[in-house]
Amino acid sequence: EDQVTQSPEALRLQEGESSSLNCSYTVSGLRGLFWYRQDPGKGPEFLFTLYSAGEEKEKERLKATLTKKESFLHITAPKPEDSATYLCAVQPGRGYQKVTFGTGTKLQVIP
Amino acid sequence: EADIYQTPRYLVIGTGKKITLECSQTMGHDKMYWYQQDPGMELHLIHYSYGVNSTEKGDLSSESTVSRIRTEHFPLTLESARPSHTSQYLCASSDLGRANYGYTFGSGTRLTVV
Repeated sequence: EDQVTQSPEALRLQEGESSSLNCSYTVSGLRGLFWYRQDPGKGPEFLFTLYSAGEEKEKERLKATLTKKESFLHITAPKPEDSATYLCAVQPGRGYQKVTFGTGTKLQVIP
Repeated sequence: EADIYQTPRYLVIGTGKKITLECSQTMGHDKMYWYQQDPGMELHLIHYSYGVNSTEKGDLSSESTVSRIRTEHFPLTLESARPSHTSQYLCASSDLGRANYGYTFGSGTRLTVV
């Protein structure tokens, strides 16, 4: 069974204080690993897809990286507007390609 | 601006009532999904559809039903609401040919059954 574990559950940063969020996963043949951002009371918003170990994607202050067992979402010099819950999800290469989501990391960036 | 719309955003309803949660998308996506999300918990897939007249149950046991008569519309119905159905319901869609480009989610319906 596919599994996604995200850590930490919650993270509080000062504005400008860089850090990383972790997503550990087990999956039957990874087809894609996804990162989403979710604001309170809203649906998740797609950020990145990573396909293979060693791949990196960047968007503004966010950079996602992938190894064979985990993915990191690096946040450089975060701003208060980066506060949100960040979700990781994996899609296997077989079956009906069900996507398994983690429980997320709740990030708070304090001015 | 949202390309996938869910209504209502909030719903408080009594036990035993029949309800339909609406979901429409304007992107022409083939695949659509319904997820259930409780606070601090992961998203659980309850129904999905590959296209018109195609519906399947997901992993989470659910007493709800869905229909897909038009590509853009994927409503979810609860025949008899119970307090255990209280949750956030999220609708999503994706392009079958671009499955790795992630899902587009609606803003959700927060359902409370009293």
